[in-house]
Amino acid sequence: EAGVAQSPRYKIIEKRQSVAFWCNPISGHATLYWYQQILGQGPKLLIQFQNNGVVDDSQLPKDRFSAERLKGVDSTLKIQPAKLEDSAVYLCASSLEWNPTYNEQFFGPGTRLTVL
Amino acid sequence: GQQVMQIPQYQHVQEGEDFTTYCNSSTTLSNIQWYKQRPGGHPVFLIQLVKSGEVKKQKRLTFQFGEAKKNSSLHITATQTTDVGTYFCAAASNAGGTSYGKLTFGQGTILTVHP
Repeated sequence: EAGVAQSPRYKIIEKRQSVAFWCNPISGHATLYWYQQILGQGPKLLIQFQNNGVVDDSQLPKDRFSAERLKGVDSTLKIQPAKLEDSAVYLCASSLEWNPTYNEQFFGPGTRLTVL
Repeated sequence: GQQVMQIPQYQHVQEGEDFTTYCNSSTTLSNIQWYKQRPGGHPVFLIQLVKSGEVKKQKRLTFQFGEAKKNSSLHITATQTTDVGTYFCAAASNAGGTSYGKLTFGQGTILTVHP
């Protein structure tokens, strides 16, 4: 079974530029997550989709970050314009469907973003 | 919002020694998960605990969920060099009426094992 795919793996941009990340979850997984992991910290949830609807985006900086999951499959996360503090690894994860007793999340390899 | 404290931040052990990391929340949790992240890798799910006082074992790993469902621990017996990595707890809460399993990760415990 193929895992969660993400691209690109690395990205270097200058501040105020725009960048987009792509994620393809495991086939059949209804729930998709985007996390931001700053060096030395745990992943922080940015946005959570259930199929193609947003169920939580409370920690997404909406003035510069946007995400979509058209057709309930793959997803893109965009930053426009980027700031220095956006340097981090952006992790995409998916899970089969939300279940209160079992909700294993499968993570992709991540995109390491460096903002200069 | 939900806050999860994890201690210690770092742990250095000699191979064969035991290791424990602790996770604490100020609010009652609906469940807690544990993940392992190898250096340069991505988090990998280890286990999910749901019931008060639950204890689960995976070979040398023992996971506990507190009676009040506010704390959890991961204990590794006789560490091996393959145990190296960062161990994260991730807490799910139903506070505020959320019902889609939003996880709040702790800051992680970095484990190094000296052969």
